[in-house]
Amino acid sequence: AQTVTQSQPEMSVQEAETVTLSCTYDTSENNYYLFWYKQPPSRQMILVIRQEAYKQQNATENRFSVNFQKAAKSFSLKISDSQLGDTAMYFCAFVRTGANSKLTFGKGITLSVRP
Amino acid sequence: GAVVSQHPSRVICKSGTSVKIECRSLDFQATTMFWYRQFPKKSLMLMATSNEGSKATYEQGVEKDKFLINHASLTLSTLTVTSAHPEDSSFYICSGQGEVNTEAFFGQGTRLTVV
Repeated sequence: AQTVTQSQPEMSVQEAETVTLSCTYDTSENNYYLFWYKQPPSRQMILVIRQEAYKQQNATENRFSVNFQKAAKSFSLKISDSQLGDTAMYFCAFVRTGANSKLTFGKGITLSVRP
Repeated sequence: GAVVSQHPSRVICKSGTSVKIECRSLDFQATTMFWYRQFPKKSLMLMATSNEGSKATYEQGVEKDKFLINHASLTLSTLTVTSAHPEDSSFYICSGQGEVNTEAFFGQGTRLTVV
C-alpha cells in the first residue's frame, strides 16, 4: 500500500515571495506518477503539476516547480512569485502506473497568500 | 485537460429522501470513475471505484446499499444517496480516468445538505 504524508497543515506567505510545500511518500512500486492538486475556495480540484517517476528532470509549470527526490521519496512543490489567487488547499497525490489505479492523497496543506 | 461535468453543484434534500449526483465525461471515455467524499478542510476520502458495465468496488466502511453507484456508459456515472440522513451532508466529488491514461479528471463537486 502507498502512503502520502504532508506534515504541515498550513502555511502563509507574503505576496510575490516564494514558498515550498513538502510531501513525502512511501511505496514499493517502481512506476508511478506524483501530482500536486490545488483546491481553491470553489473546491474544484485543479491539477497544478505532474511528475513521472522515471523522469529525473524536475517538472515545471510557469511559477510552479517540484523538487523530486526519488531515493528519498520526497516531492516538494515550490511556488514562486506567490499571488493572491494561489490561496488554496494543496494536495500531494500518488498513483501507480496503469489504468484503474486510484489516487492516494496526502492530508493537504492550507496555503494563505498575504497581500 | 479533459472535462468531467458534475451536477448538481448544490442540493438540499429532506431526511429520508434519495438524491442522485451525475458525472459526465465530456471529451473522453471514462473507463473508471472514482467517487470521493470530502469534509471541510480535510482530504478526499475515496468511497468507491466503478468501471463501466460492472459493479462498483466500495472502500471499507462505505455502505453500498446507501451509496448506489451506476456506471452504465463510458461517459456517465451516477451516485445515488438513498434514504439520506443529516450525517450524509458533505461534499461529494467524482473523477474520471480514461483507459490509456493514469491521470484522473475531477468534476466540480456537489455540496449535499440533508435537512
